Amino acid sequence: DMVLTQSPDSLAVSLGERTTINCKSSQSVLYNNNNYLAWYQQKPGQPPKLLIYWASTRASGVPDRFSGSGSGTDFTLTISSLQAEDVAVYYCQEYYYTPRSFGQGTKLEIK
Amino acid sequence: EVQLVDSGGGLVQPGGSLRLSCAGSGFTFSNYWMSWVRQAPGKGLEWVANIDQHARQTYYADSVKGRFTISRDNAKNSLSLQMNSLRAEDTAVYYCARWVAASAAAALGYWGQGTLVTVSS
Repeated sequence: DMVLTQSPDSLAVSLGERTTINCKSSQSVLYNNNNYLAWYQQKPGQPPKLLIYWASTRASGVPDRFSGSGSGTDFTLTISSLQAEDVAVYYCQEYYYTPRSFGQGTKLEIK
Repeated sequence: EVQLVDSGGGLVQPGGSLRLSCAGSGFTFSNYWMSWVRQAPGKGLEWVANIDQHARQTYYADSVKGRFTISRDNAKNSLSLQMNSLRAEDTAVYYCARWVAASAAAALGYWGQGTLVTVSS
């Protein structure tokens, strides 16, 4: 089965600083020039929210400080300038294979 | 506005059954694949099942295959998850989710608020 490994498991960043979260897949998710990789944000007590799909396309209403990059097996979620409301757990997910796989999550806190 | 409302969770004994429902509104329900995703207390997200627009294709995680059944009623804009032979490890918040696009593979663009299933004696 596909395995997605996120790094780090947790991090603390100062407000206004740049933040990067990595996601590595055990198999390539690149097919027909599309990377079947999404990023979600989950705040406490809330359902997950889609941030990024096709590895780099921002979902509707997502602030432009969030960006996704990468291809094949290595992907990155970047927050250009951390805001207080960005405290959450972030998950990557592939949507090409069945069963679908999620990363284990990265907990982001304010330093 | 797209809305998904999950319901049907509760406390059930090991070996018991429960049926979850998800009511969709604000979009053409029959155009989209739908999914169930669960999250055990304090844990990460686990995909459970997918169903295509017309209920011709269904897919399950190995952990629930043979015990859970995903179904839909497009006339009622409703998604269901029939859960049988429940185990303690099925304890989780269950979310229904709509794919972001009406295509054969897509991210989970919209989520219900979740419904808690607790399996315990």
